Formats: sequence, structure tokens, C-alpha cells
Amino acid sequence: EVQLVESGGGLVKPGGSLRLSCAGSGFTFSSFSMHWVRQAPGKGLEWVSSITGSGTYKYFADSLKGRVTISRDNAKNSLYLQVNNLGAEDTAIYYCARDWNNGDSTWGQGTLVTVSS
Amino acid sequence: QSVLTQPPSASGAPGQRVTISCSGRGSNIGTNFACWFQHLPGMAPKLLIYKNNQRPSGVPDRFSGSKSGTSASLDIGGLRSEDEADYYCAVWDGSLSAWVFGGGTKLTVL
Repeated sequence: EVQLVESGGGLVKPGGSLRLSCAGSGFTFSSFSMHWVRQAPGKGLEWVSSITGSGTYKYFADSLKGRVTISRDNAKNSLYLQVNNLGAEDTAIYYCARDWNNGDSTWGQGTLVTVSS
Repeated sequence: QSVLTQPPSASGAPGQRVTISCSGRGSNIGTNFACWFQHLPGMAPKLLIYKNNQRPSGVPDRFSGSKSGTSASLDIGGLRSEDEADYYCAVWDGSLSAWVFGGGTKLTVL
């Protein structure tokens, strides 16, 4: 069974940093581009970042550029998202998702990040 | 404000058909494939349509997608109560080098 499990969310103070992880299982992790998508309370889905299967190419939403790093460790079937200088606007559920371009997409259940003093 | 424009809400009675639109521009829908997601409260989003009109396995044929110019549409036929959810379109924007999502449409089954 294809599965994605996010972790690393929690309560963070403004200006702090967080590293989110996403563990994949049930598929050849390195063969798929991966995405991070977030949803702030009461808001819609917002794409955050993507990385190709090899990790060669990375893409970021303008709203987070300069504050976010995406990476992956294919040997560990894991995807990561580092977000720095967190603000209240970063409070959201963060989802990792397997590439949706070819109809074979899976999303994790999400991890909640709350930025508050 | 989203790059892709969706109506904030839509509704229909059980058994009816509803269409949700997604308006973009040449650099996104006009050039690339659109996809659609269904998001139920408290659940992970689910891919409904990819490459404009393709259904992943397991998605009922009541759901269909289309594209014309810089707009995409999601049709849901034979509405059921379990279709009540938020629906999002998404597409790669070549000018932004970014995926863009519509603002979402909340579907109510009356």
C-alpha cells in the first residue's frame, strides 16, 4: 500500500524554524517527484514546494522563497521541508504528496504547524 | 488572490449535475494540463482528474474534466451527499515556474 506519513509539526515561536519530514512507503520513492502543499485555517490549498525524483530540480512558491528549503533522501524514502523565520501566516496543515501528473497521486494526512508566541 | 479563479461555492440537489469552473491564463491552463482535487474536512486531498480529463483508477465516471482555452471545468453528475467537499483546480504555471491552485469551491448538496 502506498503511504506517506508527515511528521515534525508543532508549536513554534515567531521567527523560529521547523523541519518537516515525510516518510514514503509502498512505492519506489526515487521515481517520483514530490510536493509540499499547505492549508492555513479557513483557507484553501496552497502549493509550497516541489522536488524531482533525483532531487536535481526544486521549485518554490514566491510567498516562501528565501525561507524554505526542500530536500529528499531517497535511501531513506524521505522528503523534507525546512521553513525559517516563521510567521503567523505560516500556521497551517502541511501535506506531502506524490506527483499527481500521471494520475497516481497519494497525499499524507498532514502535520499541523502552529506559529504563536 | 489566487492565480486560478474558481467560484467560492456551488450547489445542487441529489441526482443533479454541477459544473465548477477554473479560469487561468496562457502560461498555466492555456499551456499545461489541469488537475482537480477533492478535499473532505479532516481528510487528505484526493486527486479526481489529471491531464485535463483523465480519471485515476477508482474515481467514479460521474466526475469528468474538460479544458477550453484558458479555462478548465469539473463536472459532477448524479450528485450524492458524499460529494459535499471543497474542490480545487491546479496547474503548472510556466511563467512562475510554480504550481498554482485555485481558491477552491465549496460544493453543497442540497
